[in-house]
Amino acid sequence: DAGVTQSPTHLIKTRGQQVTLRCSPKSGHDTVSWYQQALGQGPQFIFQYYEEEERQRGNFPDRFSGHQFPNYSSELNVNALLLGDSALYLCASSFGHNTEAFFGQGTRLTVV
Amino acid sequence: TQLLEQSPQFLSIQEGENLTVYCNSSSVFSSLQWYRQEPGEGPVLLVTVVTGGEVKKLKRLTFQFGDARKDSSLHITAAQPGDTGLYLCAGVLGSQGNLIFGKGTKLSVKP
Repeated sequence: DAGVTQSPTHLIKTRGQQVTLRCSPKSGHDTVSWYQQALGQGPQFIFQYYEEEERQRGNFPDRFSGHQFPNYSSELNVNALLLGDSALYLCASSFGHNTEAFFGQGTRLTVV
Repeated sequence: TQLLEQSPQFLSIQEGENLTVYCNSSSVFSSLQWYRQEPGEGPVLLVTVVTGGEVKKLKRLTFQFGDARKDSSLHITAAQPGDTGLYLCAGVLGSQGNLIFGKGTKLSVKP
């Protein structure tokens, strides 16, 4: 049983560019949440998708957007990248309203 | 302002010692979770506590949820080098499904 998988594992982008990160949830899970973890910090909630719609959103600008597909996989898009967007981006999956989350290994994004 | 305050931020101890990590807030949580994260990996769920005053044990780890559901602690008995990692507490507010994380406690256990 595959857990949560994220791709790519590492990514280097230039300021102003756009990036798309991908996540496949754990088998049987239908809810995907995205978190940003800066160095030395705990993860910060970006948004959560359920039934292909954004169910909740954290305090992140509109440059951060997402999508959930019918197979429950999800994408995180970030436009107009800033140096401060450099972080580990974590995807977590869960089932329904169960808050116990299973995390992927993350995508390390570096903006130069 | 951090909604969940974890202390200490860093902890370096010798193998065999005991330790306690604290997670405090002024907010009431419907549940609280503890995760452990190793470098380059995502957090791994250790335990969920739901009821005020609840105590859960996982081998040498003891988790407690405060009576008022505003705070929690993690106690490790006879720490081992394999316990090394970043310990994160995360709370759930009301019916919201997202997790609010503390900054974490970086634990290093030396042999």
